[in-house]
Amino acid sequence: DAGITQSPRHKVTETGTPVTLRCHQTENHRYMYWYRQDPGHGLRLIHYSYGVKDTDKGEVSDGYSVSRSKTEDFLLTLESATSSQTSVYFCAITSSASYEQYFGPGTRLTVT
Amino acid sequence: TQLLEQSPQFLSIQEGENLTVYCNSSSVFSSLQWYRQEPGEGPVLLVTVVTGGEVKKLKRLTFQFGDARKDSSLHITAAQPGDTGLYLCAGDGRTSYGKLTFGQGTILTVHP
Repeated sequence: DAGITQSPRHKVTETGTPVTLRCHQTENHRYMYWYRQDPGHGLRLIHYSYGVKDTDKGEVSDGYSVSRSKTEDFLLTLESATSSQTSVYFCAITSSASYEQYFGPGTRLTVT
Repeated sequence: TQLLEQSPQFLSIQEGENLTVYCNSSSVFSSLQWYRQEPGEGPVLLVTVVTGGEVKKLKRLTFQFGDARKDSSLHITAAQPGDTGLYLCAGDGRTSYGKLTFGQGTILTVHP
């Protein structure tokens, strides 16, 4: 258990509305990531952070933005949700000790 | 862009049978991680292989990293219903920041 929580765990929203997902970690890890998981695609990296206010794009970043104002929190925002963003979103950290990656429990987002 | 091809995508077997899941790429990875995921939960790290030719065993699970560090395999001996789940391989290209490239996953079902 890497002390990662995600909120909300489930959300249903309408097309065009903004949505923010939160990832919180308790162990002061430097690197944090947001992935989405869709059938047949494994996990795909959306954005990642390598420190407070230091973020960069991943493989599927279009339509998403992130912010990290504190070490422990990494926020993912969908500015205007679309049906193609219906997915399960996972937050992850890289352990400072082992350099291995650990995942949160996920957020299931449905855009109607 | 680094790609990981995982096969097979689906595997349905009887309890007691053996199975192998493959993860292949044309790219070299500095390490490769295997995860297991159950419905409604985040991926859980099983093992990390780092050295070319490395073999690691975890009870009935045997993980191997190819000599050239481009491929890996997961072998399960005498599968049990509790092994049922989604298995994911992920490669670390050491491009910095710990970004992982995931395979599409293998859904394993072990019937009693």
